[in-house]
Amino acid sequence: QVQLVESGGGVVQPGGSLRLSCAAFGFTFSSYGMHWVRQAPGKGLEWVAFIRFDGTYKYYADSVKGRFTISRDNSKNSLYLQMNSLRAEDTAVYYCANQLRLGDLYTNWFDPWGQGTLVTVSS
Amino acid sequence: EIVLTQSPATLSLSPGERATLSCRASPSVSSYLAWYQQKPGQAPRLLIYDASNRATGIPARFSGSGSGTDFTLTISSLEPEDFAVYYCQHRSNWPITFGQGTRLEIK
Repeated sequence: QVQLVESGGGVVQPGGSLRLSCAAFGFTFSSYGMHWVRQAPGKGLEWVAFIRFDGTYKYYADSVKGRFTISRDNSKNSLYLQMNSLRAEDTAVYYCANQLRLGDLYTNWFDPWGQGTLVTVSS
Repeated sequence: EIVLTQSPATLSLSPGERATLSCRASPSVSSYLAWYQQKPGQAPRLLIYDASNRATGIPARFSGSGSGTDFTLTISSLEPEDFAVYYCQHRSNWPITFGQGTRLEIK
């Protein structure tokens, strides 16, 4: 079945960098756009970034633009999030999620989600 | 940026009761609205997309309605496993945004 597995979270100092990965299983990864969504401890959901199935289009939330880079390697069925210049407010669980496809229509509904990886920015 | 406002923040009900959750969009999102359920320690799960379509495997007691700026998620008869936090989300344009969530708790 479809499975997304995030990794790469951990504790990093303010100003530091971290690279998250999301491994995809059970579907044709190269046919789906992918998203990163985060959730600060005890808070709501915040969309972070999107990459088209072929990597040609990328969109970012204003809060991470210029600091985070989304990428993918379709040969490895993997999605990435390079996070630079990290701030305390970036502390969150980071989820990767599929773009829901309805036939030939690509929608930006998130289904399914991975289990998340925790990033803590603290000195 | 489209702002989604959910109400109430917390809803206290008993199993078997009907739950009505609201999401208001400003400005309009047409029918480009979804609902998610999140239980403690778990990732969110897609329940409803395009305002009124149930996602795969979602029980019929969950239904969505609305268009434009006012949307409703209805759970017709609450089961014990339905007590969770619910979020609405739009995909009308970039950036994608979520509502702040409604916590559905056992009374």
